[in-house]
Amino acid sequence: DAGVIQSPRHEVTEMGQEVTLRCKPISGHDYLFWYRQTMMRGLELLIYFNNNVPIDDSGMPEDRFSAKMPNASFSTLKIQPSEPRDSAVYFCASSLEQHQPQHFGDGTRLSIL
Amino acid sequence: GDSVTQMEGPVTLSEEAFLTINCTYTATGYPSLFWYVQYPGEGLQLLLKATKADDKGSNKGFEATYRKETTSFHLEKGSVQVSDSAVYFCALSERAAGNKLTFGGGTRVLVKP
Repeated sequence: DAGVIQSPRHEVTEMGQEVTLRCKPISGHDYLFWYRQTMMRGLELLIYFNNNVPIDDSGMPEDRFSAKMPNASFSTLKIQPSEPRDSAVYFCASSLEQHQPQHFGDGTRLSIL
Repeated sequence: GDSVTQMEGPVTLSEEAFLTINCTYTATGYPSLFWYVQYPGEGLQLLLKATKADDKGSNKGFEATYRKETTSFHLEKGSVQVSDSAVYFCALSERAAGNKLTFGGGTRVLVKP
């Protein structure tokens, strides 16, 4: 059983550029989550989806951040324009149903120069 | 709102030593409790969970007991190995908050041979 797959694993780009992070959840999982991890703020939930519908995006820091889930097997997190303070590790996670454990991908390490 | 507090690290131990990581929580309802582990360069993995008072979660020699009276979920292992070196996160999920996980700040554990 393949786990949650994220791409790319590493991304280095200059400020002002658009960044797109991708996630493929575990097949059959109804919930998908996007997190950001930094030394200063720890793990933060950005947004989560249930059956492809965004349920809570209160953690999205600014309008520069947007997330979509066009189908059950794919989600994107986009930052446009990117800024150096967006540098972090971004994790995607999925779970089978409410209150079941979340399964995390290996993350995308994003560096904005 | 919900919150999770865990002891700050790093915690440095010798191999075969006893490990305890304290975790306390604040929740308005009756949460499920989790411990996740993050190895270097990887995403978080579920280590163990407990869904009701007095439940004991266990896995890979680790144990934690859901203590409602003290709102705690301390993680313990009787004899650690070098391979247990990682960051450990305590987390809760409350039914009233959908399927969101609230994480503690993480505790880095370093086991020396």
